Amino acid sequence: EAQVTQNPRYLITVTGKKLTVTCSQNMNHEYMSWYRQDPGLGLRQIYYSMNVEVTDKGDVPEGYKVSRKEKRNFPLILESPSPNQTSLYFCASSGTGQAGELFFGEGSRLTVL
Amino acid sequence: GEDVEQSLFLSVREGDSSVINCTYTDSSSTYLYWYKQEPGAGLQLLTYIFSNMDMKQDQRLTVLLNKKDKHLSLRIADTQTGDSAIYFCAEPNTDKLIFGTGTRLQVFP
Repeated sequence: EAQVTQNPRYLITVTGKKLTVTCSQNMNHEYMSWYRQDPGLGLRQIYYSMNVEVTDKGDVPEGYKVSRKEKRNFPLILESPSPNQTSLYFCASSGTGQAGELFFGEGSRLTVL
Repeated sequence: GEDVEQSLFLSVREGDSSVINCTYTDSSSTYLYWYKQEPGAGLQLLTYIFSNMDMKQDQRLTVLLNKKDKHLSLRIADTQTGDSAIYFCAEPNTDKLIFGTGTRLQVFP
């Protein structure tokens, strides 16, 4: 089954404790992206990757890092989480060569205390 | 700017039609998209329209595009309780999709 898998789905952590949200897709897609969803703000792009070893900042990259060492994986790293990073995070991938037809993971709800 | 705007809430009675509206900013967009987010799930592509079309119909869904006014709408005929979700319009901008704030559709019996 074609899917984008994120882990963990839910996480409560404390300020400053490094964490990683993993994302994996089994569709051989080149394009992958991370979004955060906040009430009243819709989805905002954090980082994206056009292919292996190619990453770029989205609209709200501050406080986040990513890596793309393999085509299928695109982890999101929060080196020192802060409460304003409490949000719902989505990973997405696309194989159409444009960032339009995105396949989304089910989301990771992160709370930073 | 890069704002894609939608109203936040819409409430309709089961069996009625729903119309969700969106205004976008980039007149050069080749496609415009509607995504659906069901409770506790990620977004799924619902439908899309080419910018050279005025209308697209797909079963109960009708998408209308007014390029002059940069206005996009999604009409759901015979709305069912299973249509309750958040609906996002989105336009591409170079290497990303810009999403609207989402419209929460509530269907009541």
